[in-house]
Amino acid sequence: QITVMESGPTVVKPTQTLTLTCTFSGFSLTTSGVGVGWIRQSPGKALEWLALIYWDDDKRYSPSLKTRLTITKDTSKNQVVLTMTDMDPVDTATYFCAHHDTRDYVKGYNFWGQGTLVTVSS
Amino acid sequence: QTVVTQEPSLTVSPGGTVTLTCASSTGPVTSGYYPAWFQQKPGRAPRALIYSVSNKHSWTPTRFSGSLLGGKAALTLSDVQPEDEAEYYCLLYFVDSQVFGGGTKLTVL
Repeated sequence: QITVMESGPTVVKPTQTLTLTCTFSGFSLTTSGVGVGWIRQSPGKALEWLALIYWDDDKRYSPSLKTRLTITKDTSKNQVVLTMTDMDPVDTATYFCAHHDTRDYVKGYNFWGQGTLVTVSS
Repeated sequence: QTVVTQEPSLTVSPGGTVTLTCASSTGPVTSGYYPAWFQQKPGRAPRALIYSVSNKHSWTPTRFSGSLLGGKAALTLSDVQPEDEAEYYCLLYFVDSQVFGGGTKLTVL
């Protein structure tokens, strides 16, 4: 049974760096074809893809946010960490992590966490 | 910047059929974009429905189907149920990134 869960601060101040952790179970990030991604959703808005890290440490970033994002993995802890620098009130959103599967087909984001709401405010 | 476009809203009657579409600003959507579809209800995380154009997850109701239609990815709901009222998002894969559509709010009325 695959589960993923996001954790991190609920409030950050403008210009600060946000660090979010995705803790997962039921799969290994050493398995070929497996990845973990981050997606966010501002209040009342659409989903926005942020970043994805693969089992082989290949990383992909949203072009519009690439300079501010870093995604890393710790396979021993079953965790993926996303950092976003220079936070702004427009970055207020619910941040989701999700299991990504390309082992056979590109099954994509098939298991999602419940999300964590991050508010950027001074 | 790549834009993925969906109908902002659609309304369907219970028992009816409706098709949602997903277009790319880069040109026709093909299987190489691995289009995926997600359902999201208020206050909930998205739920994956369709991957790689037309493949269903084990939990996807049979009334949901995916296809390519006129240069777009499409999600068709047949025999629509009241519980299908939700926001639906498509996702397209590009060379180095992925882009979600703006979502379609489906009302069952």
